[in-house]
Amino acid sequence: DAGVIQSPRHEVTEMGQEVTLRCKPISGHNSLFWYRQTMMRGLELLIYFNNNVPIDDSGMPEDRFSAKMPNASFSTLKIQPSEPRDSAVYFCASSSGGKDQPQHFGDGTRLSIL
Amino acid sequence: QKEVEQDPGPLSVPEGAIVSLNCTYSNSAFQYFMWYRQYSRKGPELLMYTYSSGNKEDGRFTAQVDKSSKYISLFIRDSQPSDSATYLCAMKAGGSEKLVFGKGTKLTVNP
Repeated sequence: DAGVIQSPRHEVTEMGQEVTLRCKPISGHNSLFWYRQTMMRGLELLIYFNNNVPIDDSGMPEDRFSAKMPNASFSTLKIQPSEPRDSAVYFCASSSGGKDQPQHFGDGTRLSIL
Repeated sequence: QKEVEQDPGPLSVPEGAIVSLNCTYSNSAFQYFMWYRQYSRKGPELLMYTYSSGNKEDGRFTAQVDKSSKYISLFIRDSQPSDSATYLCAMKAGGSEKLVFGKGTKLTVNP
């Protein structure tokens, strides 16, 4: 079975550029989560969607970050403009919904902002 | 105080040792408790999932939850070099899909 697919796996770009991270959830899953992982702060939830609708975006650090889920099989996380402090590993996860369903993670996008 | 506290280690043990990993938490609303394993440059992989207090065993792995002490543990018996990874505890309240993670404990099992 295909798991959560993220692209690109690595991204290196200069400060001020727009960055777009992509995620394809597991087929049939209706909840999608975006996380950021850093050494200092660990794994933090940024935003999550249920049935393509954003439910909680309280973890989004600032207005430079935005996320969309135009359909059940695709989501994007965009940073514009990017800053060096945005450098981190960004993970996408999906679940089949419901309070007792586990989340399954992709292998992440390693983002470096120079 | 952070919602979830986890000793980052690192923890280094010889092959065959019993490993104990722990997390404490402060939010009494947490009801679902998980352990994820994360290999280098990979995403977290669900290892154990328990609801409320008690023990759950799966092969060499045992998860324990003590809600009265707000303390959860993961035990690994007969540890193997392939168990070398970072172990993250995670938990969520009963009415929520939001997971709160510990920072992870880096484990190395030496052959």
